[in-house]
Parts: sequence; structure tokens; C-alpha cells
Amino acid sequence: EIVLTQSPATLSLSPGERATLSCRASHSVVSFLAWYQQKPGQAPRLLIYDTSNRATGIPARFSGSGSGTDFTLTISSLEPEDFAVYFCQQRSGWPPTFGGGTKVEIK
Amino acid sequence: QVQLQQSGPRLVKPSQTLSLTCAISGDSVSSNNAAWDWIRQSPSKGLEWLGRTYYKSKWYNDFAPSVQSRITITPDTSKNQFSLHLSSVSPEDTAVYYCARNSPAELLSFDSWSQGTLVTVSS
Repeated sequence: EIVLTQSPATLSLSPGERATLSCRASHSVVSFLAWYQQKPGQAPRLLIYDTSNRATGIPARFSGSGSGTDFTLTISSLEPEDFAVYFCQQRSGWPPTFGGGTKVEIK
Repeated sequence: QVQLQQSGPRLVKPSQTLSLTCAISGDSVSSNNAAWDWIRQSPSKGLEWLGRTYYKSKWYNDFAPSVQSRITITPDTSKNQFSLHLSSVSPEDTAVYYCARNSPAELLSFDSWSQGTLVTVSS
């Protein structure tokens, strides 16, 4: 199965700053990569699918890029509600797999 | 707006079968444009996709190799819900279990999730 490695494990930033999260795949996933946000006690929420497509209702400050094995989620200017854990997920290989997560915390 | 409501026991004994049900509102389990999935999350394994059921002229199931020999997912069109059955459980199956939708079925990105249920496997 395809292993997704996310970095950094924790990102300490202030509101208004730019966040850049990385997801690296053990094999090419082409462009079939999604990003999720999870807050404590809640289910994950789909942010981005197929590298760069925002899901319904997701603000424009969230953007995704990349291809093959290296992908990035960018939050252009952090809002207070953006402090959470973010996961990537691939659907190119079988079975679909998730990364271990990056926690974005308030500095 | 799709809503998924889970139900089922929170404590299961080792070697028994874990069973959870997910009731759907705002969509149909027999939609030709969606698949219905089970995903779990634990500190040791993180998020783990378990399997799905979907309808495209007939019913299909897909399962993760890690649980394929122990898992069943069954739709219930009369109640618009679907169920997970995981047999021969061990403490390693302790996790928060989620049901989720992916639409369209081939997209395999999960746009609606249940609230999650912590299921503990313990005697």
C-alpha cells in the first residue's frame, strides 16, 4: 500500500500567518490526493480533493498543489478556527490510505 | 445536506463481532452516484479505511486487505442505512469508527462523515 508521510508533525504559527503543510507519497499518486481538517472530538472534514479542488463551502484561503509524490496544502492567512490537525489521503493505490497528520497550533 | 447517524455497542468482547449501523438522511444508500464507507481512527494506526458498499445497477463491496477476511458491509434499502460487521475482534480493533460518504463513488474522497463512535474491545 502507498504510505503518506506528512511534515512537519507540528506547525506553530500565529493568526494571520501563512501555513505550508507537506505530504509525501511512497509511490506516485498522480494527482489523486485529498486533504482533511480535524478538530478535537470531531470527524475529519474534506477540504481539498484531487490535489487542488476545494470541497463545497471551503474558503479560498485553503489551496492545494503538487503532483506525483509531493503535495502541499497552503493556508494563506490563518484564522482562529484553522488551528487543527490536517491529514492527506490518496486514492491512487489500493487501498486508500491517510497520512499521519500535521497539527497546526497557535504560537 | 447529507447527515450520517451511527449506532451500535461501544464495548465488544475479544473474538466477538463488532456491529455498527449508519443511518443516512439527505441521500440514498442506493444512489448511483455515491459509495458508503467505514473508516476507523486509532492512536496506533491513525486513520484507516476499512471498506465500502455502493450500487451501480447492482451492489458492490470493496474491502481493505487488512480486514478483508473479517469484514462485511451490508446495505438496507428499506431503512436507508448500511452496516459494518467485523468478526473475530481483538484489542487492536479498538478505535473510533466513522461512516462516511464518497460521491461520486469513484472519487474515494470522503465528503460527509458521521460523528464517530469509540468502540472498545475488552473482556
